[in-house]
Amino acid sequence: GQQVMQIPQYQHVQEGEDFTTYCNSSTTLSNIQWYKQRPGGHPVFLIQLVKSGEVKKQKRLTFQFGEAKKNSSLHITATQTTDVGTYFCAGPPQGAQKLVFGQGTRLTINP
Amino acid sequence: DTGVSQDPRHKITKRGQNVTFRCDPISEHNRLYWYRQTLGQGPEFLTYFQNEAQLEKSRLLSDRFSAERPKGSFSTLEIQRTEQGDSAMYLCASSLAPSGSGKNIQYFGAGTRLSVL
Repeated sequence: GQQVMQIPQYQHVQEGEDFTTYCNSSTTLSNIQWYKQRPGGHPVFLIQLVKSGEVKKQKRLTFQFGEAKKNSSLHITATQTTDVGTYFCAGPPQGAQKLVFGQGTRLTINP
Repeated sequence: DTGVSQDPRHKITKRGQNVTFRCDPISEHNRLYWYRQTLGQGPEFLTYFQNEAQLEKSRLLSDRFSAERPKGSFSTLEIQRTEQGDSAMYLCASSLAPSGSGKNIQYFGAGTRLSVL
């Protein structure tokens, strides 16, 4: 079955440093979704990427979808303490409606 | 706020007991999903409904698990004869299909945290 891998599993940065998490799928994705989960919280939808090579920005967050639609990345510029949490990528297997999630990247920040 | 609502938020039970969780999706959403999340992992798909029809079940969903969505609105997830390995966060999500510009964006509820003693 489809597998989604994320690296790194953990990342600790100083406030103000940049952060990047990478997501790789074993199969081509029709779309990829990114979620943020705060400690003790639930996944909150951030963005969906659909097109090959697509790049979307949300303030300090930049999301990319690979040309082959098998990988994606999330880059945060100048992290703030409010960015703390676990970032998950997720994508549906071909023809399916369920999401297969990566194991997430947990971001902690030293103020 | 008309987001996805789950009840209860926490459930503590003894091994062997039955438990039932409820999920109320976003009102206009016709798809409803159940996921399970354990510590340090991403959510794992359990099952999903389109309206009242259960269209897919994961092999993670043993015979002790059953889900219903009788009127195509709220859903219940029942676990019979709970085991310690069932301890997890049970998340419900909903989406609207077919959607416009977004393809099946799923919105999650706050989850029900189950502890089996």
